[in-house]
Amino acid sequence: KQEVTQIPAALSVPEGENLVLNCSFTDSAIYNLQWFRQDPGKGLTSLLLIQSSQREQTSGRLNASLDKSSGRSTLYIAASQPGDSATYLCAVSPLNTGGFKTIFGAGTRLFVKA
Amino acid sequence: DVKVTQSSRYLVKRTGEKVFLECVQDMDHENMFWYRQDPGLGLRLIYFSYDVKMKEKGDIPEGYSVSREKKERFSLILESASTNQTSMYLCASRASGRALAKAQYFGPGTRLTVT
Repeated sequence: KQEVTQIPAALSVPEGENLVLNCSFTDSAIYNLQWFRQDPGKGLTSLLLIQSSQREQTSGRLNASLDKSSGRSTLYIAASQPGDSATYLCAVSPLNTGGFKTIFGAGTRLFVKA
Repeated sequence: DVKVTQSSRYLVKRTGEKVFLECVQDMDHENMFWYRQDPGLGLRLIYFSYDVKMKEKGDIPEGYSVSREKKERFSLILESASTNQTSMYLCASRASGRALAKAQYFGPGTRLTVT
């Protein structure tokens, strides 16, 4: 059964710091891995999608990597800002569900101090 | 940009009421999903639809039903609301076809309270 784990559960950093959020999954048979951002009381915003054949994706200050063989992904945030404060979730689409089911991690709650 | 909208941001209903949550997407996506999100339990899939009038149970379908009469609209129905259905409900959509590997896009969520 696929499980997704995110470490740390919470993180507090000063503004301007570069940081890495970690995501691990137990079964490498996936279609893709997606990173989301969620602000309190709101829906999820898609940040980056990495296909199973890709190693990384970049969008602005965000860079996500995927190492399928080791079951790991990282989300790198450069020059963090207070506006980056949110919960970040990673999610995988397992091959054995036909891609219709997505397994989510519990998230990392990030707080960037001004 | 993909836009997924949900009919209400906040909803308060009484136990036993029939509740309708509506979701509309404007990107002609084939796949639509309903999740609930609870502290400590994360996101859990209730139902999904891979095409008009097609639906499949997710991980926690009990007490819920769905309707998809038009491609852009996916409704979640609580047949007889109970207090344990108090939750944040999130709708999502995704393109299909060869695109099983496409991204999911979420609506803003509906915070439902059942008293």
